[in-house]
Amino acid sequence: EVRLVESGGGLVQPGGSLRLSCAASGFTLRGYWMSWVRQAPGKGLEWVANIKEDGSEKNYVDSVKGRSTIARDNIKNSVYLQIINLRVEDTAIYYCARETQTAPGAFDIWGQGTLVTVSS
Amino acid sequence: QSVLTQPPSVSGAPGQRVTISCTGSSSNIGADYDVHWYQHLPRKVPKLLIYGNISRPSGVPDRFSGSKSGTSASLAITGLQAEDEADYYCQSYDNSLSHVVFGGGTKLTVL
Repeated sequence: EVRLVESGGGLVQPGGSLRLSCAASGFTLRGYWMSWVRQAPGKGLEWVANIKEDGSEKNYVDSVKGRSTIARDNIKNSVYLQIINLRVEDTAIYYCARETQTAPGAFDIWGQGTLVTVSS
Repeated sequence: QSVLTQPPSVSGAPGQRVTISCTGSSSNIGADYDVHWYQHLPRKVPKLLIYGNISRPSGVPDRFSGSKSGTSASLAITGLQAEDEADYYCQSYDNSLSHVVFGGGTKLTVL
């Protein structure tokens, strides 16, 4: 079964940092672009960052640029998102998503999400 | 404020047809980037519904269809069913932002 499982969420104080992990199974990660997408409480989906198959290209939404690093380990079949200097507005469910090979930009597999709460 | 504009809500009775619009600009949909659609059921994970403007992944009923013209795209749902009640999102790429963008989402209510 093709699966993505996120972990690493939790309660963090403003200014703190977190490293989210996404473990892939049932497929070979190195063949796919991967993204992180988040949903704040009561809000819509927001794309956060993505990383090319070999890790050579990374892109970020402006609101996390400079505070966030996306990385991958194709040997461990995992993708990571580190965010530093967390803000209250970073509170959200963070989903890991796989980009299809046949339709660039479309996310065909999503993890169940991990909740990040930034609060004092 | 998303660069892709969707109506906040739409509604329809069982069996009816509804459409959800997604309006962009010359830097995204109008630049010929593909539009994809997702269904987000309550307490579930987003599900890819339409990719490449008009294509359905395996398992998605043909009651769901997508179209694109100019700077806009639409999702149509025919034969509305109670289980279609969900949030729907369009998604594309924006070349002025240089990244993926989602629409603000549309809540579909089945009356």
